[in-house]
Amino acid sequence: NAGVTQTPKFQVLKTGQSMTLQCAQDMNHEYMSWYRQDPGMGLRLIHYSVGAGITDQGEVPNGYNVSRSTTEDFPLRLLSAAPSQTSVYFCASRGLNYGYTFGSGTRLTVV
Amino acid sequence: AQKITQTQPGMFVQEKEAVTLDCTYDTSDQSYGLFWYKQPSSGEMIFLIYQGSYDEQNATEGRYSLNFQKARKSANLVISASQLGDSAMYFCAMRERERDDKIIFGKGTRLHILP
Repeated sequence: NAGVTQTPKFQVLKTGQSMTLQCAQDMNHEYMSWYRQDPGMGLRLIHYSVGAGITDQGEVPNGYNVSRSTTEDFPLRLLSAAPSQTSVYFCASRGLNYGYTFGSGTRLTVV
Repeated sequence: AQKITQTQPGMFVQEKEAVTLDCTYDTSDQSYGLFWYKQPSSGEMIFLIYQGSYDEQNATEGRYSLNFQKARKSANLVISASQLGDSAMYFCAMRERERDDKIIFGKGTRLHILP
């Protein structure tokens, strides 16, 4: 099925560990973004990309890196996990118009 | 400054009644888009409806309509004949064409439909 695929769905990390959240879409969308969702905060934009090779920071980029080597993939890297990064992470992609198609989310806990 | 404001953290509505979820936005752009998403307890984000700033008519999608008042910078979601399955979190969002086309979200309104 076409859509946005995020892996893993759940992850527990220890403080200081690194990991990569994977995101792939098969809709040939140019625009992709990463959001985090925390209780009472809505969805906050971490990083986004308007096409392969182009990325930029959103509202809360600190502690996260991204790259966009292909149109399909947009991984999010946590270099040194902190408890403040405990959250639900959503990847989303968008075509020329309308809103995003979201992945199913990754629930990350940092202990 | 907050770009998207949803003033109702939670709402309780009787089944079959109409519901209006409030959303105000702040932008200096002339070209922008407004969205509503639904997030049920299962967690997925479901796109409901879209309104472009140049659209002359209010957007409608089935039981959903967007009451767009451009001068007031208001984009309220109206759900007609509410159902138990409408119980969810609802997010208003805006895309500004002149701001790298990012989409930013409000903090959401949790809607509870009572039987």
